[in-house]
Amino acid sequence: DTEVTQTPKHLVMGMTNKKSLKCEQHMGHRAMYWYKQKAKKPPELMFVYSYEKLSINESVPSRFSPECPNSSLLNLHLHALQPEDSALYLCASSQDPRANKGYTFGSGTRLTVV
Amino acid sequence: AQTVTQSQPEMSVQEAETVTLSCTYDTSESDYYLFWYKQPPSRQMILVIRQEAYKQQNATENRFSVNFQKAAKSFSLKISDSQLGDAAMYFCAYNAGNMLTFGGGTRLMVKP
Repeated sequence: DTEVTQTPKHLVMGMTNKKSLKCEQHMGHRAMYWYKQKAKKPPELMFVYSYEKLSINESVPSRFSPECPNSSLLNLHLHALQPEDSALYLCASSQDPRANKGYTFGSGTRLTVV
Repeated sequence: AQTVTQSQPEMSVQEAETVTLSCTYDTSESDYYLFWYKQPPSRQMILVIRQEAYKQQNATENRFSVNFQKAAKSFSLKISDSQLGDAAMYFCAYNAGNMLTFGGGTRLMVKP
């Protein structure tokens, strides 16, 4: 298995809803990442998990809450989002935190906040 | 902080021709890695090619090759024999530790 799987592919949620994005990989990678990507822009790093521990939080608002239940799974819990949070959310993984061989990305969740 | 700059927001190439995408970066590190990623409309970021800074030899992957100029901090991507499926956003990226820094991207259009 050489993939990073993200679900759902599309999500529409209201500003008062609570939802979760899921990311899964079975490549034995020990680092996982959440990125946010606006249209025609590069991905922006949100969180980094190394060996299942949060190692980087790029000053992300608390309405985004990451969780890494095990080495294969990464979640992003969403609560009280704003319309400007609408974006493509990408998950990625790497063999180790140094990521010398680059990241493997999922195909993303397209989030729309209404 | 490291920065990655792609000076060409859009590029166009005729099918079967060659095109070069530019990338420059700024760093004080001596040990780092550089990447080119492709993002087609399907959204998934796909690794095209990687270069280790300590290697002088330019990386190649089939029709894709790089021109890595360490002193000039330049890392351009050459696509030979362009195909319609090469049409996508291309992002240059830099890694010196534990996270990728991306350039702003270049949209490549391929004309049949």
